[in-house]
Amino acid sequence: DSGVTQTPKHLITATGQRVTLRCSPRSGDLSVYWYQQSLDQGLQFLIQYYNGEERAKGNILERFSAQQFPDLHSELNLSSLELGDSALYFCASSVGGDRTSPLHFGNGTRLTVT
Amino acid sequence: KNQVEQSPQSLIILEGKNCTLQCNYTVSPFSNLKWYKQDTGRGPVSLTIMTFSENTKSNGRYTATLDADTKQSSLHITASQLSDSASYICVVTGSNDYKLSFGAGTTVTVRA
Repeated sequence: DSGVTQTPKHLITATGQRVTLRCSPRSGDLSVYWYQQSLDQGLQFLIQYYNGEERAKGNILERFSAQQFPDLHSELNLSSLELGDSALYFCASSVGGDRTSPLHFGNGTRLTVT
Repeated sequence: KNQVEQSPQSLIILEGKNCTLQCNYTVSPFSNLKWYKQDTGRGPVSLTIMTFSENTKSNGRYTATLDADTKQSSLHITASQLSDSASYICVVTGSNDYKLSFGAGTTVTVRA
């Protein structure tokens, strides 16, 4: 168990809808990262937060947004959903915002857009 | 073009045998390289982390090597077990920003 909790585990919704994915990092970890993994694809970095502030941005669509709250949990909001947004969304956390800390991944939220 | 290329894309080995996975990267300047193991449907788990000055690092039956001059890394699995069946992902971090570059992974299947 990595200590990172993601909810929900599965989500099925229709095109055009909006969903929110939630992540609780490991106790004591200040950084939260979001990744997207489409079927048979590698992990795509979306965004990183460190202690409530955005630290790095990857290939995150404008329809997607995220935030990290004062209690350090994070939410990823996906809107105007398209079929191509169907994927596994992983959250990871690390102790600090430095580059060498290992990432601890949750088990992901599987999003299916129909 | 992806800055991290892994090979082979997949491989099948017999239980008890060894195998070596390759990772070539172009990320520069370089900070560190990590290897992760991802079981199907699960989140990746960290195996090793190597910085610029480290050439080799072991974690049980997993040994990673790094040649920062040629920008190459390898992950060697010794005496493979059925539980080693997974995707192995190489992740490189540059020293200019906090972005992580992920390889597409090598899928290893260990057969009895």
